[in-house]
Formats: sequence, C-alpha cells, structure tokens
Amino acid sequence: EAQVTQNPRYLITVTGKKLTVTCSQNMNHEYMSWYRQDPGLGLRQIYYSMNVEVTDKGDVPEGYKVSRKEKRNFPLILESPSPNQTSLYFCASSDHRGRGYTFGSGTRLTVV
Amino acid sequence: AQTVTQSQPEMSVQEAETVTLSCTYDTSESDYYLFWYKQPPSRQMILVIRQEAYKQQNATENRFSVNFQKAAKSFSLKISDSQLGDAAMYFCAYNSGNTPLVFGKGTRLSVIA
Repeated sequence: EAQVTQNPRYLITVTGKKLTVTCSQNMNHEYMSWYRQDPGLGLRQIYYSMNVEVTDKGDVPEGYKVSRKEKRNFPLILESPSPNQTSLYFCASSDHRGRGYTFGSGTRLTVV
Repeated sequence: AQTVTQSQPEMSVQEAETVTLSCTYDTSESDYYLFWYKQPPSRQMILVIRQEAYKQQNATENRFSVNFQKAAKSFSLKISDSQLGDAAMYFCAYNSGNTPLVFGKGTRLSVIA
C-alpha cells in the first residue's frame, strides 16, 4: 500500500530532551515536507526537501532540523524541545507538485 | 510570499443541502496548482480536489466542485448534497514550481441532520 508512515503517533516529552520523529514513504517521491498544525493557524511548513541531500527552510524552521540522506526517509529532529513546540506534526510527500501531497497520519507532540 | 486566505473560520449546512467554502490567494505567478484538503476528526489529511491554473475548466469530483476565478485569485469549493461524513476541517492550499504547498487557516464545516 502506498503510504507515508510517521512514528510515533503520540509523544509526551520534557523540555530539552532531544527527540526524532521519523517519516518514511514507499512511493519513490522526490518531494517531502514537514508541517505543524496549530489551532487557528492552519498548517505551517517547517522544512521541505526536493530530493536527496536537498533541504530548505519553510515558514517556521526555528528549533527544528531535518536530513534527507535517503529518498524514502525524512526525519524531523528537535534538538532541545520547548513547550511552544507542542503541536500536531505532519510529514507529506509528492512526486509532482501538481498532484498534491500524500500525508502521514500525524504525530501529536506534547512538550512539558 | 504566496498567501492563502480562508475568510470563514466556521460554516454549517443542512444535510442534503449545498454549501460553498471560500478561498482567495495571492501570487504573481501564472502557472500554479490549487487544492482542497479535508481533515475529519481522525486528523488524516485527505485530498478532495485539485485545479491546475492553466486549465480554465473547473474541476469536479463527484459531489465536490470548484469555482476557479483566476483573475480574481479565487478558488471556492462547492459541496452538493451534503452528508454527515462531510463534517470536517477544510483547507485550501497552493503551490507552484517555486513554492512548496502553502495552506490557508481552514474552515470548520458542520453538517446538521
């Protein structure tokens, strides 16, 4: 089944403890993105990647890191999470911008 | 930067009736794509319909259709014969060759039985 897989689905962590949210797609897509969703703000892009080893900042990149060492994987790293990073996170991928993105199931992150 | 505006935070519709959700966008590009995504309570993001800017014909997918007005930079979604399962957040989105997918803030649609 063609899909984007994110893990974990839920995560509660403490301030300052490094964490990684994994994202993997099995569709050989070139484009991958990370978004965060907050009430009243819609989805805002954190980082995106147009291919292996090519990444760029989105609208809200502060406090996040990404890497794209393989085409299928695009992990999101929070080196020192803070409470303002409590949010719903989505990974998404696409083979062509005109076809829209396929989204993962989301990761609900709570930083206390 | 490209922006997408959804001016209706919430809307409601009677079951079996028709509802239109509004979306406007700002861009200086001529070639781009527009999308409507649905997010039900399960929080999954589901692509409902898409429109290519160079196509004048409005896209249609079963009960869902769009009214694409390129000069006005408007992209509204019409849902006909509304069903209880249509209740969700709806997001309008834009992208182009130079811009990754940008979303509006969403419209929460309630369907009244």
